[in-house]
Amino acid sequence: KAGVTQTPRYLIKTRGQQVTLSCSPISGHRSVSWYQQTPGQGLQFLFEYFSETQRNKGNFPGRFSGRQFSNSRSEMNVSTLELGDSALYLCASSLGQETNEQFFGPGTRLTVL
Amino acid sequence: GESVGLHLPTLSVQEGDNSIINCAYSNSASDYFIWYKQESGKGPQFIIDIRSNMDKRQGQRVTVLLNKTVKHLSLQIAATQPGDSAVYFCAENMAGTYKYIFGTGTRLKVLA
Repeated sequence: KAGVTQTPRYLIKTRGQQVTLSCSPISGHRSVSWYQQTPGQGLQFLFEYFSETQRNKGNFPGRFSGRQFSNSRSEMNVSTLELGDSALYLCASSLGQETNEQFFGPGTRLTVL
Repeated sequence: GESVGLHLPTLSVQEGDNSIINCAYSNSASDYFIWYKQESGKGPQFIIDIRSNMDKRQGQRVTVLLNKTVKHLSLQIAATQPGDSAVYFCAENMAGTYKYIFGTGTRLKVLA
């Protein structure tokens, strides 16, 4: 069974641009969570989707948004990029119950210049 | 690989020794906890979990201890091996939130 895939793996953008990251969950998984990982702040929860519905979101500005499609694939979008948005963005998929194991993808490394 | 954390607390242990990694969690209402291992260039990988109605759970070479009184988790790794070198995170969840809060992480270095 294929693991969680994230595209692209690396991305370089400039301030003010916007970016869309993609996550394909493990087949059969209906929950996708997104996290931002930085050396200073560690792993921070962005949002979680299940069956196309956002069930929770973290404390990030409205520039960060996401969505989930009917095939459970998910995208996150960051608009008006700032230097501080440089990070590793991780997505994780699971069957959907909170005690189901989350499987993480390798992440997308975003650099904002 | 990518740097997970430049200023993480580091635990150095000799190969074959036991390792104990500690974590203070934030929310007394959290009722489910997980330990993850993250190697350079990879996403976190599940190691072991524990629910709040337990105080100890054992896996293969790993044991998690939960002390709800002081909001403390620990991960014990027996007979630490070079392949155990990684950053370890604890994560907590409160039922109904569908949200995991991660600790800051500890870097484990295994010395040959």
